[in-house]
Parts: sequence; C-alpha cells; structure tokens
Amino acid sequence: KAGVTQTPRYLIKTRGQQVTLSCSPISGHRSVSWYQQTPGQGLQFLFEYFSETQRNKGNFPGRFSGRQFSNSRSEMNVSTLELGDSALYLCASSLGAANTGELFFGEGSRLTVL
Amino acid sequence: AQTVTQSQPEMSVQEAETVTLSCTYDTSENNYYLFWYKQPPSRQMILVIRQEAYKQQNATENRFSVNFQKAAKSFSLKISDSQLGDTAMYFCAFEGVTGGGNKLTFGTGTQLKVEL
Repeated sequence: KAGVTQTPRYLIKTRGQQVTLSCSPISGHRSVSWYQQTPGQGLQFLFEYFSETQRNKGNFPGRFSGRQFSNSRSEMNVSTLELGDSALYLCASSLGAANTGELFFGEGSRLTVL
Repeated sequence: AQTVTQSQPEMSVQEAETVTLSCTYDTSENNYYLFWYKQPPSRQMILVIRQEAYKQQNATENRFSVNFQKAAKSFSLKISDSQLGDTAMYFCAFEGVTGGGNKLTFGTGTQLKVEL
C-alpha cells in the first residue's frame, strides 16, 4: 500500500508570492492533517480535513488555507509569503472517522522563502 | 489549551543499552491519547507507541515501552536494547478526545543518538 505522498518535496519562493502544496493520503484514509515544522516553533497544527470539510483549525493567519477533494487528496495554500513561512510542511493521513490519533505522515514539503 | 514538554533536547546512548526519554503534559481533559513519534533523518514521522489515558496498563511495542503516570501527567518512553536505527528525533504528542478529529499537540522533541 502506498504511503502518504507530498509534492513538491522542495521549493523556493520569494516574499509576496503564493504557494500550493499537495498531499495524497493512504488509500482509504479520509482524514488529512497539515503541520508546520520549524526549528524555532517545532511542530504546529495547521488544519485537518475530513470528507472535504475542515474539521479542525490551528492558530495560523488566514493566509494559510486548505481544501480536500472528493478523492481525499488535499492541498494547502499559503498566500503573500513571508520569510517566517520557511518550514517543512508535513501532511498526515488517517482513517479518520474517530480520532484514534494514529497518523501516517508524508516526507514533507520543504519551503524556503527568500 | 494543552501543552507538552520534553525537557531533554538531546540524549545519547550506547548500542544495546537502555534509554528513557521524558515527557510531561498539561491538560484539563480526562480522556485523551498520548503518543511517541520518531522522525529519522529522512524526515518521515513514524508512530512508535500509543497510550490511551483510560487504560492503566502501560503500552509496549517490542523494545519500546512507556511509563504512563496519569496523576503526574508524565509519559516517558523507554527504549531497550538500543539499535543504531533508533537514532532519530523523538516527539511526544497529546490528543484530546473532546472536539473530535485529529489534532495533535507536539513537544519540542528529543534528539536521540545511538552510538557504537
């Protein structure tokens, strides 16, 4: 069974631009969560989607948004990029109906903002 | 809001020895899950072990076991017979049951190095 796939793996953007990251969950998983990982702030929860609906949201500004498609694939978008958005963005999937908490993570998308 | 604290930024252990990683948490919830995740240098996070708060028995997965002290809000991870492949960043994480969905609160991590 294929794992969680995130694309792109690496990308470089400049301040003010916007970026879209993609996550394909494990087949059959309906929940997709996004986390931002930085050396200073550690791992912080961004949002979670289940059956195309945002089920949970972390404390990030509105520049961070996401969506989930009917095939459970998810995208997150960051608009008006700032230097502080440089981070590893991790996607995790789970079966999702109840919060068992057993998440399966992708390898992440490394975003560098110049 | 929940908080998770890992007070050991770095630890090292000799191969085949035992090491214990500490984690404390703060919550007002009575029912929740606790986890240890491992992030090797390749960056993919992997679940090591999971504990449900309403279960008094400590979880065990092969060489990995936890010491869960609910009253003290402590959740340490013991790795027995350490192997070179255990070298990784280890994150303690909390998830409350109320509110539904998957939303983990992570600690800052402990970098474990297993040495020959």
